[in-house]
Amino acid sequence: SQQGEEDPQALSIQEGENATMNCSYKTSINNLQWYRQNSGRGLVHLILIRSNEREKHSGRLRVTLDTSKKSSSLLITASRAADTASYFCATDARGANLIFGKGTKLSVKP
Amino acid sequence: NAGVTQTPKFQVLKTGQSMTLQCAQDMNHNSMYWYRQDPGMGLRLIYYSASEGTTDKGEVPNGYNVSRLNKREFSLRLESAAPSQTSVYFCASAMGVLAGEETQYFGPGTRLLVL
Repeated sequence: SQQGEEDPQALSIQEGENATMNCSYKTSINNLQWYRQNSGRGLVHLILIRSNEREKHSGRLRVTLDTSKKSSSLLITASRAADTASYFCATDARGANLIFGKGTKLSVKP
Repeated sequence: NAGVTQTPKFQVLKTGQSMTLQCAQDMNHNSMYWYRQDPGMGLRLIYYSASEGTTDKGEVPNGYNVSRLNKREFSLRLESAAPSQTSVYFCASAMGVLAGEETQYFGPGTRLLVL
């Protein structure tokens, strides 16, 4: 079974708006990562947040982690058409390996 | 640096045929991974190699074998392809062995269709 589940499955917004994606997981984790996948391409790492961190920023990305609720959110501010992609969370609950969620498909319309 | 490269990009097989998917990385990474991605399923780990000479099963290893030929190369073999193995296959690599703490670098993928 999937460890991480992203919500919503799909999100469509206008350029300039903010996009928020959520990830829920089932068991305790050490770290949580977010990846982006453009259509037909491999995944690209965005950010890693550790279980003892609550918030992390990278450019227009803001990630929060709430271990009490077993959830994380990824916020992309001032979205651009180039942000159109699928976004995946990945957790390391099962020891050394990452478990990926099913992803949120983001569409940013110009 | 080319990063992680995969060959072929696309392959069509008939049921029962065999093939090997090739993966190479030029980042001097220790760990390498093979995933499959199916619609609506996210990525699932098939096999991984924490270092040259070692390989371990992931979540969905049945029907596959792997070889860590050297530090750079990690191949995935389908001995007798089945339609259920139709998928997109991604190779990834990372510097360390604790996947949760490491950035994984992905190849462009191999699209496999088994008829």
